[in-house]
Amino acid sequence: GNSVTQMEGPVTLSEEAFLTINCTYTATGYPSLFWYVQYPGEGLQLLLKATKADDKGSNKGFEATYRKETTSFHLEKGSVQVSDSAVYFCALSVPGGYQKVTFGTGTKLQVIP
Amino acid sequence: DADVTQTPRNRITKTGKRIMLECSQTKGHDRMYWYRQDPGLGLRLIYYSFDVKDINKGEISDGYSVSRQAQAKFSLSLESAIPNQTALYFCATSDRIGLAANTGELFFGEGSRLTVL
Repeated sequence: GNSVTQMEGPVTLSEEAFLTINCTYTATGYPSLFWYVQYPGEGLQLLLKATKADDKGSNKGFEATYRKETTSFHLEKGSVQVSDSAVYFCALSVPGGYQKVTFGTGTKLQVIP
Repeated sequence: DADVTQTPRNRITKTGKRIMLECSQTKGHDRMYWYRQDPGLGLRLIYYSFDVKDINKGEISDGYSVSRQAQAKFSLSLESAIPNQTALYFCATSDRIGLAANTGELFFGEGSRLTVL
């Protein structure tokens, strides 16, 4: 079956530090890959996505590249801000049929001033 | 107003009580979902619905039931709540497959926090 593995948190960084949150996946077919973000007290919202190998998704200074050879979709940001404190979920969706979305367990990021 | 609205946002109830969580959406999507979020477990799918007449069990449907009253409304019921159903519940929607723009992106409500004592 499909699965997503992401690094456990919490991750604590100082403001302006470099962020990497690792995500690897297993899937049948050719999945689309996503990063969702959940700010405190809110629902999940899409941060970025990539639909095929070597695509780079980007938004709000965050980036992730779809690496088929390593089955990875690591999230990066060059300089985090306090406002980036949230829980980040990696997810995949395989086209066809039900098109179920499989989520990782989430990584909590705390950015301190 | 939010595109996906959940009510109530918070609820405390007692073991054995019947609880209904409601979800309505203005996105015009056919597909609706109920997820449960627990610390360290991520999101787990409870039920999903492709349209009003198509309802399917997810990974953890035991103890839950759903009703799709209209394209825009999807409610989740706990017939007899128990403490291990204490969690944060999310409703989500997505567009129909087969559309070029649809890659499986989900649109979430703000969540309903349920505590069962």
